[in-house]
Order: sequence, then C-alpha cells, then structure tokens
Amino acid sequence: NAGVMQNPRHLVRRRGQEARLRCSPMKGHSHVYWYRQLPEEGLKFMVYLQKENIIDESGMPKERFSAEFPKEGPSILRIQQVVRGDSAAYFCASSPTGGEAFFGQGTRLTVV
Amino acid sequence: AQSVSQHNHHVILSEAASLELGCNYSYGGTVNLFWYVQYPGQHLQLLLKYFSGDPLVKGIKGFEAEFIKSKFSFNLRKPSVQWSDTAEYFCAVKNQAGTALIFGKGTTLSVSS
Repeated sequence: NAGVMQNPRHLVRRRGQEARLRCSPMKGHSHVYWYRQLPEEGLKFMVYLQKENIIDESGMPKERFSAEFPKEGPSILRIQQVVRGDSAAYFCASSPTGGEAFFGQGTRLTVV
Repeated sequence: AQSVSQHNHHVILSEAASLELGCNYSYGGTVNLFWYVQYPGQHLQLLLKYFSGDPLVKGIKGFEAEFIKSKFSFNLRKPSVQWSDTAEYFCAVKNQAGTALIFGKGTTLSVSS
C-alpha cells in the first residue's frame, strides 16, 4: 500500500500565476486534510475533505484558495494569483476513518 | 481557541542522553493527543497517540509519552537517544470538532555521536 503521494514535490510560480497541488490518498482512505507549514512555524490546518465534500475549511484563506476531492482522482489544492506570502510547504494527510492521519512528503511552493 | 505549546525550540543532546520534550495543550475536555516526527527530507510519521486509557503511552523506536490531565501536558520521553533520532518533533491535539489536528511549532532535536 503506497503512502500518501503528493506532487509535485517542488513548485516554483511567479507572482500572479496559479498553483495546483495534488494529493493522492492512501488506498481506501476517503478523508483528506491539507496543512501549510511556514518557516519556523508548525503545521497549520487548512481544510478537511471527505470524498466530494468539504467538511471543515476554517483554516483556508477566504480568497484565492480552494480545495476539492472529486469522486475519482486526487485531491487538489488550488491557489490562484499567488503572492510571495504563499511560499510554504503544503502537506496533505489522509485517513480511512477521520482518526489517525498519514502524511505525504509535502509540496514546497516557492513564489518568485 | 485551542492551542499547543512546545517549550523547547531546539534541543541538543549527546548520544545515550535522556530526552524529554514538553508539550502543553489548552483544551480541557476529552482530548486526542499525538506526537509526530519528521526526519530530514521525509514526511511526518506518527510516533504515538493517546485517546483514552493508560496515560503512559508507548510508541515506536523506544519513545513514550505521559498524559497528565491536571497539567494539560503530554511530554515525550526517551531514556537513551541515538544519532538517528535527530529530527523535528511535533506535538498535536485533535480539535474540539474532531476535524483537524492542531500542531505545536515543533522541537528540533540534534543528537551528536
């Protein structure tokens, strides 16, 4: 059983471009979480999705950020019109039941 | 709002020394507590977790943690560290809604051989 797969591992975007981060959960996991890690900070919760539904998006910035977890395919975290402050490591985690979560290796986004 | 505090930002130890990393959380109700480790260049891995029952929890790689409800603490311990324990350690608590983990800022452990 492969772990949580995130791609790309590294992503460079110019200010104003769009960033798409992908997360394939572990097989059989229908719960997906996205977290953001800024330098010198712990992981901050962004959003929790359960197949096609957003359960909790209380950590998502109100503008430019969106997330989806379609019936088929990976979960996508989308950041429109990126700014320098969006540079961070973005981690995805999945869970079969909403309990223990397994993390991916993260995508490091750099906005130049 | 719930929060998690990790008191030590960076800990430096020699091999065979004992380790204790502090973690305090703010929520006073039923808690689910976790310690994760992140080795350089790798993803977060679960070391141990506490949901209920025996407050002394054994994890992988010789780690353990003790849940002390009266102190709102969940400190991580290891009697004798190894060079391979060099990593970043994160304490986390499940939020009241049960929908997310709230993480501390992490403690970087450096072990010299």
